[in-house]
Amino acid sequence: DAGVIQSPRHEVTEMGQEVTLRCKPISGHNSLFWYRQTMMRGLELLIYFNNNVPIDDSGMPEDRFSAKMPNASFSTLKIQPSEPRDSAVYFCASSYRTGQRNEQYFGPGTRLTVT
Amino acid sequence: GENVEQHPSTLSVQEGDSAVIKCTYSDSASNYFPWYKQELGKRPQLIIDIRSNVGEKKDQRIAVTLNKTAKHFSLHITETQPEDSAVYFCAASNAGSYIPTFGRGTSLIVHP
Repeated sequence: DAGVIQSPRHEVTEMGQEVTLRCKPISGHNSLFWYRQTMMRGLELLIYFNNNVPIDDSGMPEDRFSAKMPNASFSTLKIQPSEPRDSAVYFCASSYRTGQRNEQYFGPGTRLTVT
Repeated sequence: GENVEQHPSTLSVQEGDSAVIKCTYSDSASNYFPWYKQELGKRPQLIIDIRSNVGEKKDQRIAVTLNKTAKHFSLHITETQPEDSAVYFCAASNAGSYIPTFGRGTSLIVHP
């Protein structure tokens, strides 16, 4: 398996533009997580999907952020309009939810820079 | 909700020394405690995990201990090597939510 795939790997955009980040989880995994990582705040959970359904989106900063998971093999995180403070590395992670453990496999991340 | 505190934020050791990173959690329902290693510019990767029915787990030079009563768990790295230099994150989750809460991370620097 190729692991969790994210695109793009790097994104530079101007303030006010729409940004769409993409994620393909590991085949067979039923849980998907979007994280944001910055030096100031560390690793923050933005949203968690289970079986394509958003379970917890309490970490989504504001209405400018939205996430979808139309099927088990694809998810998007959209920021509209983007702001400089959104600059961060965004990770997608997937796991197979069981009663024993919940090991997460992270994608390579998307480094977003908003100027 | 769960709150995970991690210490120290930075740890500098000489090659061959041991390193210990400590985490505390607040939710007594938490029962799964993974540790992730993140090298510079890379993704976090699981290195070891422990469930609440076990007090200690070892894998070669790394070990994790768990004290459920005190609600703390620790990562131990023996005979450190320069390639152990990275940021280490602890996390806690429970079987109900499956949502891990991460600590802020510890930057480990191993000097040759």
